[in-house]
Order: sequence, then structure tokens, then C-alpha cells
Amino acid sequence: DVKVTQSSRYLVKRTGEKVFLECVQDMDHENMFWYRQDPGLGLRLIYFSYDVKMKEKGDIPEGYSVSREKKERFSLILESASTNQTSMYLCVTQGGDNEQFFGPGTRLTVL
Amino acid sequence: QKEVEQDPGPLSVPEGAIVSLNCTYSNSAFQYFMWYRQYSRKGPELLMYTYSSGNKEDGRFTAQVDKSSKYISLFIRDSQPSDSATYLCAMSPMEYGNKLVFGAGTILRVKS
Repeated sequence: DVKVTQSSRYLVKRTGEKVFLECVQDMDHENMFWYRQDPGLGLRLIYFSYDVKMKEKGDIPEGYSVSREKKERFSLILESASTNQTSMYLCVTQGGDNEQFFGPGTRLTVL
Repeated sequence: QKEVEQDPGPLSVPEGAIVSLNCTYSNSAFQYFMWYRQYSRKGPELLMYTYSSGNKEDGRFTAQVDKSSKYISLFIRDSQPSDSATYLCAMSPMEYGNKLVFGAGTILRVKS
């Protein structure tokens, strides 16, 4: 079974803080994604990566950056957290037949 | 217009009912179609996926794709209170590595 883990389930940060969200997968998948999920807006893609040290912007990359130094780890970085970044963040990996597997999510609150 | 439209609900049904969840899409390039189930405060889990028109069955769940109408459905037979969750449809073009486009999700409540 694919296992996708995220560093925190719940996180509370203050405006202006730098925030790191980490995701680790154990299935040797090349493709990894970061989404945020908000009520009424559904899932929106922030960034994705097809390989180590490779990244591409998704639909809403503003205010975020990512890091993929190792194949199994994909980090999402909020350089200076703002209240409108309060959301559920979901990490996803993609298998060879296009199936996507979700991590448990990190519920981030920015005060 | 969104690429994928999904009625957010909530959809409330009695236990044992047949549930029909639907999505429409506008991009004819979509070839892979998936349904995810998400319980409250959890990440979505893959329920079913298909890449062809027609029906695919798995236990109480049937996924149906009609590419000519750009319409997909998920049917749940003999619905149970444990089926209460948000159901998200998702789709992408055929190429590996293409990002999925998600519907907004439909909230389903099955009452005992």
C-alpha cells in the first residue's frame, strides 16, 4: 500500500512566520503535488514536481514555494504566512497509471 | 465556467437508498476519471478510477462514464451511514503526470 505522510495534522502559526509543511512517500513515485482545500472552492493545485529538484507552478502558487531535494520528500514553504493561507493542505503522489494518493492533510491556521 | 462541475449538495438519503453522484466536464481531452471519498477532517481516498466509457463496478459502487455527454456518475447501492462523506470527482488527460482537475465535492448524508 502507498503510504503518504505529512509532518503535522494541525498547525497554528502567526502572521509573518515562515512555515514548512513536509510530505514523505514510500512508493518511489516520481510525481508529487501540493493542493489546498477550502469550502466552496474545492481542491486547488499549488505546486507540483515530476522529479528531484524539479518544480512547476500550479494554479495558485503566489505566496508559496516548494523544495524537492529527495525523491520521497516534497516540502511546501509559506515564506511569510498570511491569514488567507489558513486552509487544509494536502500532499499527493501519483502512481504509474495516473492514480493519485493523498496524505492525511495538514490543517493550518494563521492568526 | 469551471472545467468540472459538481453539485455541492448536501445530499441527504435514508439508509438503504441508491445514491447517484454526478459531475459534468467541458474538456474533451479528459480520459482518466476518478472518484474520491473524503471523511470529515481526513484526506481524500481513492474510491474508483476508470479510463473508458461505460460502467465499472466494485462492490456497492458503480462508476459510469459517458464521454459523448461529458458526464460521469458514481452510484452507491444499499447506502449505509458509514458512506456519509464528501465525494469528489477528478479527471485528467491520458498522459502520465498530468495534474487532476477536481470537482468541488458533494456532501452525502445517509440517515439511519
